[in-house]
Amino acid sequence: SQTIHQWPATLVQPVGSPLSLECTVEGTSNPNLYWYRQAAGRGLQLLFYSVGIGQISSEVPQNLSASRPQDRQFILSSKKLLLSDSGFYLCAGRDFSYEQYFGPGTRLTVT
Amino acid sequence: GNSVTQMEGPVTLSEEAFLTINCTYTATGYPSLFWYVQYPGEGLQLLLKATKADDKGSNKGFEATYRKETTSFHLEKGSVQVSDSAVYFCALSSENTGNQFYFGTGTSLTVIP
Repeated sequence: SQTIHQWPATLVQPVGSPLSLECTVEGTSNPNLYWYRQAAGRGLQLLFYSVGIGQISSEVPQNLSASRPQDRQFILSSKKLLLSDSGFYLCAGRDFSYEQYFGPGTRLTVT
Repeated sequence: GNSVTQMEGPVTLSEEAFLTINCTYTATGYPSLFWYVQYPGEGLQLLLKATKADDKGSNKGFEATYRKETTSFHLEKGSVQVSDSAVYFCALSSENTGNQFYFGTGTSLTVIP
C-alpha cells in the first residue's frame, strides 16, 4: 500500500507571504495525487488532483496552485497567502484499487 | 451525478452505547464505498470498505453493509469506546467517477465515559 508523507506538520505564515507544501509518495508508482483543504469543523474540499507528471486539474479557482515535478511528488503553492487560506491541508494518493491513502496533514495558520 | 450524504453531527454517546451513522449515496454504475476516520489533528485513515452490493466491511468492531436497493452504507458499532471519538467520513469512488473521490461532510462523534 501507499505511504503519503507531508511536511511541515504545522506552519504559521503572515498574510502576503509565499507558501510551499510538499507531499511525497512511496510504495507505488504513477498514482493519482490529490490536495484537499479542511477548514475548522468542516468537510473536505478538493483543491487539485493530478494523474501524472505535469498534469494538474484544478477544482476550485483560488489563490493556490499545484505542481507535480516528479511521479511521486506533489507540491501546493501560493505566491501571496490570504487569511482565508488557513486550514488543514491533506495530500492523498490513489492507486488502481480506488482507495485513497492520506498523509498526516499540514496545519496552516495565516496571521 | 455522484454524491454522498451523511447524517449531521455532532453525535455524543456514552461509553458502551450502540452507534449508527447513516450514509446514503448517489452514483452511476457500481461504486466502491468507504468509511474513513479522522482522529483529532491527524489525516484520514481508511476504516473499512465494500466493493460490491451486499458486501460487509468490518474493522475494529465497526461494520457497514453495502445496500444497493437502498443506496446506503450505514456505519455501526455495538459498543463504542472513548477512543472511538473522531470524525467519520463516508465516501465513494469508481471508474465511473473518473479520478475523483466523493466524500460526505463528516460526522463528529464524541464518546463520554
